[in-house]
Amino acid sequence: AQSVTQLDSHVSVSEGTPVLLRCNYSSSYSPSLFWYVQHPNKGLQLLLKYTSAATLVKGINGFEAEFKKSETSFHLTKPSAHMSDAAEYFCVVSPWAGSYQLTFGKGTKLSVIP
Amino acid sequence: DTGVSQNPRHKITKRGQNVTFRCDPISEHNRLYWYRQTLGQGPEFLTYFQNEAQLEKSRLLSDRFSAERPKGSFSTLEIQRTEQGDSAMYLCASSAGQGTNTFGSGTRLTVV
Repeated sequence: AQSVTQLDSHVSVSEGTPVLLRCNYSSSYSPSLFWYVQHPNKGLQLLLKYTSAATLVKGINGFEAEFKKSETSFHLTKPSAHMSDAAEYFCVVSPWAGSYQLTFGKGTKLSVIP
Repeated sequence: DTGVSQNPRHKITKRGQNVTFRCDPISEHNRLYWYRQTLGQGPEFLTYFQNEAQLEKSRLLSDRFSAERPKGSFSTLEIQRTEQGDSAMYLCASSAGQGTNTFGSGTRLTVV
């Protein structure tokens, strides 16, 4: 069994300040972990993925995430928020690389204040 | 555009009617997935095809739902006798083997 908990349903930051979106996971396997972003009326876009290589994963648009097995966490960060980052972010777990069994968190809505 | 295409983008239907959605995956992708996303929730897995074979169905997929991928290319998702609880965004994704999923923009269904 696997599950994902996104600890904040809504995060609000000022433009130019750091972003932290928190995610904890539970999995019986050595999971693969992903972050997806969803802009209004757009499809889900992959930001980054962890598949048991380096624990610090760099993604698109300046985002990165660190896999911490001891804490079962995979938090998403960005040093400086842009207005275009405002969107819904989903943390996703799969039991192993290539599995079709993706389990999504409930999402965190990121607002960026000018 | 070589992404995953879903049609229609929006569908409003009366309760009890049947609806059908279409998904055109990226052409070289052999895997295709359907997800459902309700308001305030993350997408939930519905079903999965490898080529034309439907290999997995979630318990969320009641007997009113049927999905096909007849030639291993596009797929259709049909909902019979729609209910208000079927109102959701229906997302399609595809992948090449065990590669990362690419998602379409979804079909938003409203049952009135």
